[in-house]
Amino acid sequence: DVQLVESGGGLVQPGGSLRLSCAASGFIFSRYAMAWVRQAPGKGLEWVSGISGSGGNTYCVDSVKGRFTISRDNSKNMLYLQMNSLRAEDTATYYCVGDYGDLEALDFWGQGTMVTVS
Amino acid sequence: DVVMTQSPLSLPVTLGQPASISCRSSQSLVHSDGNTWLSWFQQRPGQSPRRLIYKASTRDSGVPDRFSGSGSGTDFTLKISRVEAEDVGVYYCMQGTHWPLTFGGGTKVEIK
Repeated sequence: DVQLVESGGGLVQPGGSLRLSCAASGFIFSRYAMAWVRQAPGKGLEWVSGISGSGGNTYCVDSVKGRFTISRDNSKNMLYLQMNSLRAEDTATYYCVGDYGDLEALDFWGQGTMVTVS
Repeated sequence: DVVMTQSPLSLPVTLGQPASISCRSSQSLVHSDGNTWLSWFQQRPGQSPRRLIYKASTRDSGVPDRFSGSGSGTDFTLKISRVEAEDVGVYYCMQGTHWPLTFGGGTKVEIK
């Protein structure tokens, strides 16, 4: 079965850093683009960042540019999100998402990891 | 960025009755590859989102056939032919044609 398991969330002070991880299993990881999508408490969904299957192309929303970096290790089936200079508005549940295409349709989602900046 | 507007915000439905959710985009979602990258997601209480529909009308494997997607260009609809108790949750549309990906604000489906 396809599985995405996020970890690394927690409580951090404004200006601090966190590194989120996502362990993938049940599919050929390198063939899938991956993304991070977040959801602030009681709010809707916001796409944060994405990366191609090879890792050669990365994308992110303007609000996190220069602060967040997405990366992957295909030898370990792992996706990462390095988050620096965290702000209160980054408080959210962060979901790891897989996409067989080019990040057009976000095929399957993990259970999420909560990040609180306070 | 492409703005996705969903309506209604809240949708109280009687069990066994149909439900319909509208999603409109600020730009056409027809991609240069010929596909229309409009997806629908269901988020049940306390759970992560799950995709139901992609490319506007293609149902995902395992999704009950009471769910259907339709529409083109900028105007899309998710229909539930007969609402069941397990359908309670928030439904989101999302466009994947233009960067960045953007979501609608969500429609909360609840049982009357």
